Amino acid sequence: EVQLVESGGGLVQPGGSLRLSCAASGFTFSSYWMHWVRQAPGKGLMWVSRVNSDGSNTIYADSVKGRLTISRDNAKNTLYLQMNSLRTEDTAVYYCGRESCSGGNCYFHHWGQGTLVTVSS
Amino acid sequence: SYELTQPPSVSVSPGQTATITCSGDQLWDKFICWYQQKPGQSPVLVIYEHTKRPSGIPERFSGSKSGNTATLTITGTQAVDEADYYCQAWDSGKVVFGGGTKLTVL
Repeated sequence: EVQLVESGGGLVQPGGSLRLSCAASGFTFSSYWMHWVRQAPGKGLMWVSRVNSDGSNTIYADSVKGRLTISRDNAKNTLYLQMNSLRTEDTAVYYCGRESCSGGNCYFHHWGQGTLVTVSS
Repeated sequence: SYELTQPPSVSVSPGQTATITCSGDQLWDKFICWYQQKPGQSPVLVIYEHTKRPSGIPERFSGSKSGNTATLTITGTQAVDEADYYCQAWDSGKVVFGGGTKLTVL
């Protein structure tokens, strides 16, 4: 069974840093591209970032570029999101998602349960 | 940046058909998938490649696309289908979600 378990969320002051983790199990982690998606309280889903299977290629939403860094450790089956220079608008539940592709279409068939990041003084 | 537009809310009576639309520029050339999200839960994929249902998703969920508009249809809507629904596409290597539609079954 595919499992994605996020951790590392919490309360942080504006300008602070936090590192989120997503522990993967039940599949060959090193074969899949992985993503972070966030959801501010009462708001919709917002894609944050993607990393390819070996970690050599990353891409970010414009609103987080330069402040958030996605990475992975395939030996530990873990995805990370390093969050620096945090702003109040970064307050959200952060989900990790496994990218699955079929017929040229890629989507999220598996999501973690999410971890809440609150940026507040 | 690329945008997908969904109606903020849709209401339907139990047993009736609910339709949720998703529109965007050049959507005719993009794959669309749909997610269901209930309060306090992670999103669940309900439609991918416009029309396909993952295993475990009831047959009452279907997807279609015409031109620049994709549609999620729930036939014989049940109370358990009350949730937020999001469409999703790709643009320039980035994932784009629609703003979400709150489906109310009343």
